Amino acid sequence: DTGVSQDPRHKITKRGQNVTFRCDPISEHNRLYWYRQTLGQGPEFLTYFQNEAQLEKSRLLSDRFSAERPKGSFSTLEIQRTEQGDSAMYLCASTSGRGGSYNEQFFGPGTRLTVL
Amino acid sequence: DQQVKQNSPSLSVQEGRISILNCDYTNSMFDYFLWYKKYPAEGPTFLISISSIKDKNEDGRFTVFLNKSAKHLSLHIVPSQPGDSAVYFCAARTYNTDKLIFGTGTRLQVFP
Repeated sequence: DTGVSQDPRHKITKRGQNVTFRCDPISEHNRLYWYRQTLGQGPEFLTYFQNEAQLEKSRLLSDRFSAERPKGSFSTLEIQRTEQGDSAMYLCASTSGRGGSYNEQFFGPGTRLTVL
Repeated sequence: DQQVKQNSPSLSVQEGRISILNCDYTNSMFDYFLWYKKYPAEGPTFLISISSIKDKNEDGRFTVFLNKSAKHLSLHIVPSQPGDSAVYFCAARTYNTDKLIFGTGTRLQVFP
């Protein structure tokens, strides 16, 4: 079990450019989550998938943000026309969600985005 | 609207003593609570959780207490070790969603 992995770990981009992040969950975890964390704050929920279905989206996820999980395995988060306010750590988490019981979410190391 | 609050941004404790981290919440619909630990340049790591039907859960050196009437929970670490130095986040969820609502974190420093 290699845990949740995220790529890239760091991304520096210029305002107005598009960026895409990838998350590989723990194998066989059917639920995948994206969070964003800014300095001095806790992680804030963005969106979540069960298999390939996107089940919930936060109001934080503006039209410039899109997330996909096409085959129910890895997921991508794209930000179009980046703004300086998008600078943050983007965290991915996964959980098995089996048995109807609550399961803790396992987080990846995050992708730190800096928009210049 | 900060539904989960950690009012102490930092805490310093001597090695071997007890560390007590506090968390308050406002949403009475929360029914599951978690504590995560975060080291620099890493993602949060799950530590311990508690359901709202319980008032205590223990795992080794870590114990979480839940006081539903006060909408308050706390994490006790006994004995504290230097390796416990990290930022601790309290998180909560309601029964009808998977999303976690996090507090702003408390930085714990355990000194020798």
